[in-house]
Amino acid sequence: SQTIHQWPATLVQPVGSPLSLECTVEGTSNPNLYWYRQAAGRGLQLLFYSVGIGQISSEVPQNLSASRPQDRQFILSSKKLLLSDSGFYLCAWSVSGGTEAFFGQGTRLTVV
Amino acid sequence: DQQVKQNSPSLSVQEGRISILNCDYTNSMFDYFLWYKKYPAEGPTFLISISSIKDKNEDGRFTVFLNKSAKHLSLHIVPSQPGDSAVYFCAASGDDKIIFGKGTRLHILP
Repeated sequence: SQTIHQWPATLVQPVGSPLSLECTVEGTSNPNLYWYRQAAGRGLQLLFYSVGIGQISSEVPQNLSASRPQDRQFILSSKKLLLSDSGFYLCAWSVSGGTEAFFGQGTRLTVV
Repeated sequence: DQQVKQNSPSLSVQEGRISILNCDYTNSMFDYFLWYKKYPAEGPTFLISISSIKDKNEDGRFTVFLNKSAKHLSLHIVPSQPGDSAVYFCAASGDDKIIFGKGTRLHILP
């Protein structure tokens, strides 16, 4: 069966520090991968999605970047965090070209 | 530009009655629609989906209806149970993207 791992679960980082959140998927090949953010009182905003290794599409201009160095690994990064980067970050996967997305447990990022 | 809209931030329903959550979308390229349930500090859990070629899909207490001409879908939960209290997200899929609405918080009252 497929599983998705996302870590860390919580993170407190100072303004201006770098960020690296990692997500890995097991039990499937060539998945679509997604990063979402849920800011306080807001919905799930799609940040990045990837249909294959090295292929990243960005949905909104921002202070973040994403990379997919391996088929089942998706990384969310920032060189210098802003206060506005605080939120709940979720990684998800779906089958290629498909439909339902399955989510990790999320990372609560607080920038102080 | 919000492509998926859930216009009701919250909804309260008596236990045992029907809960109806609504969602509208604007982009005709979406071909698959989904509902998720979410608790605080957890990832969303997939509930039910519907393809754009159908107008109804049922799974136990959950039924999703799709009106393509109106670009509208709804989730019906009947009977509503206390464990159904959560935030429900509508999502639309197309062109490898999955776009979510802002969610509706459902309160099931005893």
